[in-house]
Amino acid sequence: EAGVAQSPRYKIIEKRQSVAFWCNPISGHATLYWYQQILGQGPKLLIQFQNNGVVDDSQLPKDRFSAERLKGVDSTLKIQPAKLEDSAVYLCASSLLEVSSGGIQETQYFGPGTRLLVL
Amino acid sequence: QQQVKQSPQSLIVQKGGISIINCAYENTAFDYFPWYQQFPGKGPALLIAIRPDVSEKKEGRFTISFNKSAKRFSLHIMDSQPGDSATYFCAATNTGNQFYFGTGTSLTVIP
Repeated sequence: EAGVAQSPRYKIIEKRQSVAFWCNPISGHATLYWYQQILGQGPKLLIQFQNNGVVDDSQLPKDRFSAERLKGVDSTLKIQPAKLEDSAVYLCASSLLEVSSGGIQETQYFGPGTRLLVL
Repeated sequence: QQQVKQSPQSLIVQKGGISIINCAYENTAFDYFPWYQQFPGKGPALLIAIRPDVSEKKEGRFTISFNKSAKRFSLHIMDSQPGDSATYFCAATNTGNQFYFGTGTSLTVIP
C-alpha cells in the first residue's frame, strides 16, 4: 500500500513570498489533515477535510493560509505571503475509520512532510 | 491551551532499560489515545493506541498504561534498544474530531 505522498520535501523562500505544498493521501482515505510542526513541538492541526469539504479550519491563519481539496483526493496548502514564523515542517495525514474488537478506531497515516524555511 | 501535556521533554536510557513517557489530558470526551514515533526527516508513525475502557495495552515491547480517573496515560518501552531512539508523541482525540498532540519526548538509547 502506497503511503501519503508530499512534495516538495524542502523549500526555502524569502518572507513575503508565496509557497504551495501538495499532498496525495492514501487511496480511499476520506479524511485529510494538514499539520504544522514547529521544531521541538508536536503537530498542530491547520485544517481537516472530509472528502472535499472542510471539517475544521479553526486554527488556520486565514489571512495568509489557504487549502483546498478539489475532487476529494489531492490537496494543496498555500501560504501567501510567508512570514519568518511560518518556518516549520508541514505534515499531511490521511485517515481511515476502522472497526476492531475495541470499537471504532481512526488511524492517521502521515506523509514525510515538507520542511519550509522562510528567510 | 495545551490539551495534552507530555513529559519529559528528553530522556536518555541505557540499552536494555525501561523508557517511560507520561501524558495528561483534561477533556473527558477524549476516547482514543495513540502514541506516535517519529524519526528525523520522517512523519510520525502510529506505534500503539488505547481506548479508555481498558487500563493497559501491550504490543511487543511497548505498553500503554491508562488511568482514567487521573486522566493520565503513559508509554513504557521495555528492553529499550538503540533503534528506539526517536521522538515520541502522545495524542488524544474524540473520534471523528481533531487530534491533539503532546509536545514530544526525544528518547536516546545508549548502547
